Amino acid sequence: KAGVTQTPRYLIKTRGQQVTLSCSPISGHRSVSWYQQTPGQGLQFLFEYFSETQRNKGNFPGRFSGRQFSNSRSEMNVSTLELGDSALYLCASSLWAQGVQETQYFGPGTRLLVL
Amino acid sequence: AQSVTQPDIHITVSEGASLELRCNYSYGATPYLFWYVQSPGQGLQLLLKYFSGDTLVQGIKGFEAEFKRSQSSFNLRKPSVHWSDAAEYFCAVGLNRDDKIIFGKGTRLHILP
Repeated sequence: KAGVTQTPRYLIKTRGQQVTLSCSPISGHRSVSWYQQTPGQGLQFLFEYFSETQRNKGNFPGRFSGRQFSNSRSEMNVSTLELGDSALYLCASSLWAQGVQETQYFGPGTRLLVL
Repeated sequence: AQSVTQPDIHITVSEGASLELRCNYSYGATPYLFWYVQSPGQGLQLLLKYFSGDTLVQGIKGFEAEFKRSQSSFNLRKPSVHWSDAAEYFCAVGLNRDDKIIFGKGTRLHILP
C-alpha cells in the first residue's frame, strides 16, 4: 500500500505570494492532519480534516487554511506569505479521526522557503 | 498548560553503545504517549506508543520505552545503537480531552563510528 504522498517536495516563494500544498493520504484513510515544523518551534499542529470537514485546529492565523476532497486528498493554502512561514510542512493520515489512539502516518513533507 | 519536554537537544553515542533519550510531560491525567523518529529528508515514523497496561513498551527497530507515572516520564531506550539510528527523535503526548497531539522539540542523535 502506498504511503502518504506530498507535492511538491520543495517550493520557493516570495513574501506576499500565496502557496498551495497537496497531500494524498494512504488509501482508505479518512483523516488528514497538517503540521508545521521549524527549528525554533518544532512540530506544531495546524489543522485536521475528516470526511471533508475541519475537525480540529491549532493556533495559526487565518492565512493558513485547508480543505479536504471527497477522495480524502487534502490541500493546505497559505496566503500573503511571510518570511516566518518558511518551514517543513508535514501531512499525516490516519484511518479515523485524530483520536489520540489513532496512529498517524506521515508524509515526507513539503519544504517551503519564503524569500 | 500541557507540555512535552525533551531535555537533550543533541546526544552523541558510539556505535554499539546503549542509548536513553529522555521525555517528560506535563498533563493532569495519564496521557497517550508516542515516540517518533525522523530521518533526514523524511517524514516521521512511529517507533512505539503507550496507551495503557504494561509500562514497558516494545517498538520497532529494537527500541523500547518505559512509562513512569511518578516521574511523568517516557524515556526511549535501545541496548545497542547502529549507525542507521542517527536521526531526530520526537516524543509526543496525546491529549484525550481535545484529541490533539503535542510534540516535543526533538533530540538529534549522532552516532560515532
